Amino acid sequence: QKEVEQNSGPLSVPEGAIASLNCTYSDRGSQSFFWYRQYSGKSPELIMFIYSNGDKEDGRFTAQLNKASQYVSLLIRDSQPSDSATYLCAGLGGSNYKLTFGKGTLLTVNP
Amino acid sequence: NAGVTQTPKFRILKIGQSMTLQCAQDMNHNYMYWYRQDPGMGLKLIYYSVGAGITDKGEVPNGYNVSRSTTEDFPLRLELAAPSQTSVYFCASRTSGAPYEQYFGPGTRLTVT
Repeated sequence: QKEVEQNSGPLSVPEGAIASLNCTYSDRGSQSFFWYRQYSGKSPELIMFIYSNGDKEDGRFTAQLNKASQYVSLLIRDSQPSDSATYLCAGLGGSNYKLTFGKGTLLTVNP
Repeated sequence: NAGVTQTPKFRILKIGQSMTLQCAQDMNHNYMYWYRQDPGMGLKLIYYSVGAGITDKGEVPNGYNVSRSTTEDFPLRLELAAPSQTSVYFCASRTSGAPYEQYFGPGTRLTVT
């Protein structure tokens, strides 16, 4: 069964620190990966996607992909209390039909 | 541009009742999805559709049915509601090609008692 696993939380960091969220996947056919942020009681919101090995930066967010190690990560620099949410990692299967989601990591940024 | 919309936002059903959760998108996306999310758990795919008239089962289809008669609408039908169907239901949509970005609706919180 194709799985996406995220590092167990919850994760707590002080304001201004770097938060590191990690994810591994089992489907070697997966080519595209997505990070969603979900505030409590709200729907998931897409914040980053990455297709190629290496880093992709967008503001305070950096996504990293290592296909050889089947590893995806999200770094949040200068973490803010407003970043406190559950972060979901998802991989798009080789058929490109559907995403497989991890269970999420709860991040708390303490002022 | 409303994106993905869902109705109702909240609903309480009695055991054995039926209902339809509505989902619509105005982005001309071919692919649409229904997920459920239980507390502390990830998203479980119920059904998906790759275009009008084409639907397929996801991980947890039992107790649900779908139809896709138009590109815009993808309703989810619950027949004979059971307490195990108490959950938050999310509809999502995306384009069929790259960049494969998938967008979610606001969700429907359903309680079956």
